[in-house]
Formats: sequence, C-alpha cells, structure tokens
Amino acid sequence: QVQLQESGPGLVKSSETLSLTCTVSGDSLINYYWSWIRQPAGQGLEWIGRVHSNGDTKYNPSLKSRVTISIDTSKNQFSLKLRSVTAADTAVYYCARSSASYYFLYWSQGTLVTVSS
Amino acid sequence: EIVMTQSPATLSVSPGESATLSCRASQSFTYYLAWYQQKPGQAPRLLIYGTSTRATGIPARFSGSGSGTEFTLTISGLQSEDFATYYCQHYINWPLTFGQGTKLEIK
Repeated sequence: QVQLQESGPGLVKSSETLSLTCTVSGDSLINYYWSWIRQPAGQGLEWIGRVHSNGDTKYNPSLKSRVTISIDTSKNQFSLKLRSVTAADTAVYYCARSSASYYFLYWSQGTLVTVSS
Repeated sequence: EIVMTQSPATLSVSPGESATLSCRASQSFTYYLAWYQQKPGQAPRLLIYGTSTRATGIPARFSGSGSGTEFTLTISGLQSEDFATYYCQHYINWPLTFGQGTKLEIK
C-alpha cells in the first residue's frame, strides 16, 4: 500500500519560502514521477510541477520562476520549495504519484499552508 | 496551456437517477483525460483514466467517454456516497491542468 505524507510549516510569512517534504512509504521512488498539486480553499486543483526519480523536473510555467522540486531516493522523499510567497499561495498542498501517464492514483492527505502578512 | 472547462458548476440530482458531467478542452486531443472525485476534507480519488478506463475498485456505474474537445463522466444510479465534487484533468502535454470542478449535490 503506497502512502504519501507531507510535512512542513503550516504558516509561512509573506515574501519568504514555502518548504514542504513528501515522504513515501510502501514503495520505492524509483521509476515514478512525483508531483506537487495545490488547491486554494473552495477552488480547483493546480499542478505545480513534478520530479522523476532520476531528478528530471517539469514545472507549471505560471510558477516556474519561483519553484524548485527535488528528490532524495535514499530517504524516499521529495520536496517543494516555493519562493517569495504571497497570500495567493495559501492553499492545501498535495503530493501525488504518477507513472509516465500523468494521472494521479496515489495522493497524500493534503496539508494547509497559510501565508501571513 | 490547455484550459479545461467543466459544466455545470453545480448539478442537483436525486439518488437513483443518472448524472452527466461535462468537461470541455480548449484544444483537441484524444485519450489523455482523467476524472477524479473529491469529498470535503479529502484528497481527490482517481475514477477514470484514458478517457474511459475505470481505476481499480471503481464501480461500473461510473463511465467516461469523449474525444476532441468534449468529454463526459456519467454516473448511473446515483448512490449517497457519489455526491461530491468531480474534476477532469488532461495529461496530453505540459502543464497538466484540471477543470474547476462540478459539485454534484442531492436534489
């Protein structure tokens, strides 16, 4: 049973960097693609970006200038850094797994990150 | 970027009836469409991928169809646990995008 669990601060100050880590259990990170997806309250889902187990990354152009996603296969973890956050970055953040077909079977429970001024 | 537009935003249906949810893409493609169900406070759950293939454990009352710019999720014989918000997602190119969702509520 694959399980994903985010960890990181639930409150980030405006202009600072949001940092989250997703720890995967029940399977290896190898040969899969690992994404971050967010959802502002009452709104739809926004794909942030993904990392492959080989370190290759793809980002949403709308966030590309502020995002870094990295992976540590030895720890079975991957991470998100979102720089220069504003209130618009307040959302529930999910981590999720896909294969080379980029639909998402496995999701984390989601973690609310609030950006404060 | 492919914009996915779902309609209606809210759909009111009685239990036992059928519901048809629509997802329109701003660019034409085939196959690479998924549907998710989300309940309040929960992560999305994959229902359909490849336009029409049900994910493991998804009941047969859920069916997907479509191609080009028009895709449909049909739920037959609605049960109480089906009332939720549904999202479509394309995965034909980058960036991956989702529709804004259709909330299926009890009539």
